Amino acid sequence: QVHLAESGGGVVQPGRSLRLSCVGSGFSFSSYGMHWVRQAPGKGLEWVANISYGGINVFYGESVKGRFSISRDDSSNILYLQMNSLIPEDTAMYFCAKEGYFANFAYLHSWGQGTLVTVSS
Amino acid sequence: EIVMTQSPVILGVSPGERVTLSCMASQSVGRNVAWYQHKRGQAPRLLIYGASIRADGVPARFSGSGSGTGFTLSISSLQSEDFAVYFCLQYDNWNTFGQGTTLDIK
Repeated sequence: QVHLAESGGGVVQPGRSLRLSCVGSGFSFSSYGMHWVRQAPGKGLEWVANISYGGINVFYGESVKGRFSISRDDSSNILYLQMNSLIPEDTAMYFCAKEGYFANFAYLHSWGQGTLVTVSS
Repeated sequence: EIVMTQSPVILGVSPGERVTLSCMASQSVGRNVAWYQHKRGQAPRLLIYGASIRADGVPARFSGSGSGTGFTLSISSLQSEDFAVYFCLQYDNWNTFGQGTTLDIK
């Protein structure tokens, strides 16, 4: 059974950095693309970033481009999100998600429970 | 960016009722839509992908339909465990989500 567990959230001051982790189990981690998605308090979901299997391709949402970096360690089944220059608008629950594939498209198949990031002075 | 608009935002329903939730895309996304159920403090759960394909283990009372710009998720007979937030995702062109529909007990 697929299991994704995020960690690394917390309270951080504006301008500081934070690194989130997501440990995957129950599937062949290295064979799947992975995503980060966030949900600010009272708001809808926002796609943040994704990394292809093998880590060759990475993509970012406009609101985090240049500040966040996604990476993966397939030897340890861990997905990372390095968040730099944090601003209050980055306050959100951050979810990692594993891709599923159908008809040559990738969708978000399995999700973790999320880790909360609060950016506040 | 493709905008996904869900309606209604909140729906008060009773157990046993049939409900239909809507998700409209600002441009055609083919059949590249998924639906999820989300309960507070839990991981979102995939219900439907490819607009109408039930994910593994999802009860038959859940069904999805639509293509192009209009999509629906139907629950044929609401069970107590179905009261949750439901959101749609288009994955045809990057990933964008609907704002969600909350099913509340009437």
